[in-house]
Amino acid sequence: GAGVSQSPSNKVTEKGKDVELRCDPISGHTALYWYRQSLGQGLEFLIYFQGNSAPDKSGLPSDRFSAERTGGSVSTLTIQRTQQEDSAVYLCASSLLAKNQPQHFGDGTRLSIL
Amino acid sequence: AQKITQTQPGMFVQEKEAVTLDCTYDTSDQSYGLFWYKQPSSGEMIFLIYQGSYDEQNATEGRYSLNFQKARKSANLVISASQLGDSAMYFCAMREGPPGGGGNKLTFGTGTQLKVEL
Repeated sequence: GAGVSQSPSNKVTEKGKDVELRCDPISGHTALYWYRQSLGQGLEFLIYFQGNSAPDKSGLPSDRFSAERTGGSVSTLTIQRTQQEDSAVYLCASSLLAKNQPQHFGDGTRLSIL
Repeated sequence: AQKITQTQPGMFVQEKEAVTLDCTYDTSDQSYGLFWYKQPSSGEMIFLIYQGSYDEQNATEGRYSLNFQKARKSANLVISASQLGDSAMYFCAMREGPPGGGGNKLTFGTGTQLKVEL
């Protein structure tokens, strides 16, 4: 498909387990973002990748959260030792880098921590 | 202080009427961009319209227009001729600084839930 692809679409796991969420951006988009949306809330920025530059990790809520982007394309968000407050929808977006270019979002991964 | 404020948690509008969704923002940057997204109950985020801080004209995209008042730091979304399919959550978002470097992340408001009625 031509859009941003995220997997899995749903993930249920036990507290304390590690989870990996995957994002495949739109081909040719150099910028990739991760956001988190808690129930009934707006989106909260987590991390941003642009080309070979160092990522902007300023939104990661704790050191249990990390992300990488391999080969300038696919990204993986990893949450270690999950907590119940990590339950949310994790959204990935990608964009071109021009002032009027919007971020295009995937359908998200709904993460539930039991 | 909130960077993006959407003061209307919920709005109702009759089908075929116009509706304005409010958004105010707070930034000290001269270069910034404002975006509106629609999120239906299915969850996907759909880009609607963009306004750049240096754009002299108000943005329009089909039935969507943006009432940009820079001095008042407001960027209200106007939806004309509302349709039942417009029922969704609407988010205002801001990119501070020019694109590139660290200036690309979006800050979102808390959203306005719009319900279009017959």
